[in-house]
Amino acid sequence: DAGVIQSPRHEVTEMGQEVTLRCKPISGHDYLFWYRQTMMRGLELLIYFNNNVPIDDSGMPEDRFSAKMPNASFSTLKIQPSEPRDSAVYFCASSFKDRSSYNEQFFGPGTRLTVL
Amino acid sequence: AQRVTQPEKLLSVFKGAPVELKCNYSYSGSPELFWYVQYSRQRLQLLLRHISRESIKGFTADLNKGETSFHLKKPFAQEEDSAMYYCALSFLGSGNTGKLIFGQGTTLQVKP
Repeated sequence: DAGVIQSPRHEVTEMGQEVTLRCKPISGHDYLFWYRQTMMRGLELLIYFNNNVPIDDSGMPEDRFSAKMPNASFSTLKIQPSEPRDSAVYFCASSFKDRSSYNEQFFGPGTRLTVL
Repeated sequence: AQRVTQPEKLLSVFKGAPVELKCNYSYSGSPELFWYVQYSRQRLQLLLRHISRESIKGFTADLNKGETSFHLKKPFAQEEDSAMYYCALSFLGSGNTGKLIFGQGTTLQVKP
């Protein structure tokens, strides 16, 4: 199993452009999480899905950010328009919740986004 | 509101010295605590969970409900322990949504 897959691994774009980050969770996992990592704020939860339904998007910084999960094997995080302060590493993680689960989350390699 | 606090952004020690990475949490219910680690150029991964009461790579962490702490300890640090460490909180019981709340992270630097 390749684990959680994210693409692209690096993205450099100019301010004002649209950015789309992609994630493929581990097969069979029913939770998917999007995080943003910065030096100043650490690891912040942006949004998470359960069975493809958004459960909590309170961490999404503003309307420029949107996320979708059209099916169990794919999710996108979109920033439109992008700004330099969006520069960060964006992680996707997935987990499987059952009665005995410890909620271990499995993380992707991250996408390093640079907005010029 | 639930919160995890890691007071140190950077902890620098010499090889062989004891290490303690601090983590405090605020949650009124029954917490489930974790330590995640991110080595250079690797994915963030689970290091240990309080419910297992296990030692991983020489690290241990004890949940102290009275002090609401879950500090990570190792008696003798190794250079390969250098990494970013995150403390995380989940909720047990009917309110369990699968969500984790992470602290801000502590970078551990072990010098030779």
